[in-house]
Amino acid sequence: EVQLVESGGGLVQPGGSLRLSCAASGFTFSSYSINWVRQAPGKGLEWVSYISSSSSTIYYADSVKGRFTISRDNAKNSLYLQMNSLRAEDTAVYYCARNFYYMDVWGKGTTVTVSS
Amino acid sequence: EIVMTQSPATLSVSPGERATLSCRASQSVSSNLAWYQQKPGQAPRLLIYGASTRATGIPARFSGSGSGTEFTLTISSLQSEDFAVYYCQQYNSWPRTFGQGTKVEIK
Repeated sequence: EVQLVESGGGLVQPGGSLRLSCAASGFTFSSYSINWVRQAPGKGLEWVSYISSSSSTIYYADSVKGRFTISRDNAKNSLYLQMNSLRAEDTAVYYCARNFYYMDVWGKGTTVTVSS
Repeated sequence: EIVMTQSPATLSVSPGERATLSCRASQSVSSNLAWYQQKPGQAPRLLIYGASTRATGIPARFSGSGSGTEFTLTISSLQSEDFAVYYCQQYNSWPRTFGQGTKVEIK
């Protein structure tokens, strides 16, 4: 079964850091680009970041540029999102989602809450 | 950044009726448009890509149309499992952007 499973969410204080992970299975992870997409409570979907299959191309939303870093380890079939200088407005469910264009496979998400 | 605008925000429909959802792009995205369905507490699910191609396993009652800046998702005969929020997303340029969603609720 093709699957993405996020982990690493939790409660963090403003200004703090968190590292999210996304574990892939059921497909050749190294052949696919991956995105992070988030959803604030009661809100819509917001694309956050993208990494190509070889890590050669990376994009960020302006809202996270300079604070978040996306990376991947193809040997471990894993994707990461290092989140620094967290703000209250970063509170959301974070999903990893496969592919460069449309996003055809999504994980179930991990919840990040930024609050004092 | 391309702004995606969906209408209406909420659509009240009776089971068995047709639902028509709209998505407008602030500039042309060609046919680089996807639709997703999201139910409460679940991740989004890809329904349509390329503006009109159904994703694997998506029932034929879902259809997409349009190109350029105007797009439509039609659900021909609403089933109970179709009541959800629907999002459009453009993948013509970066950053990828989503519409704000249309909630399809039971009338």
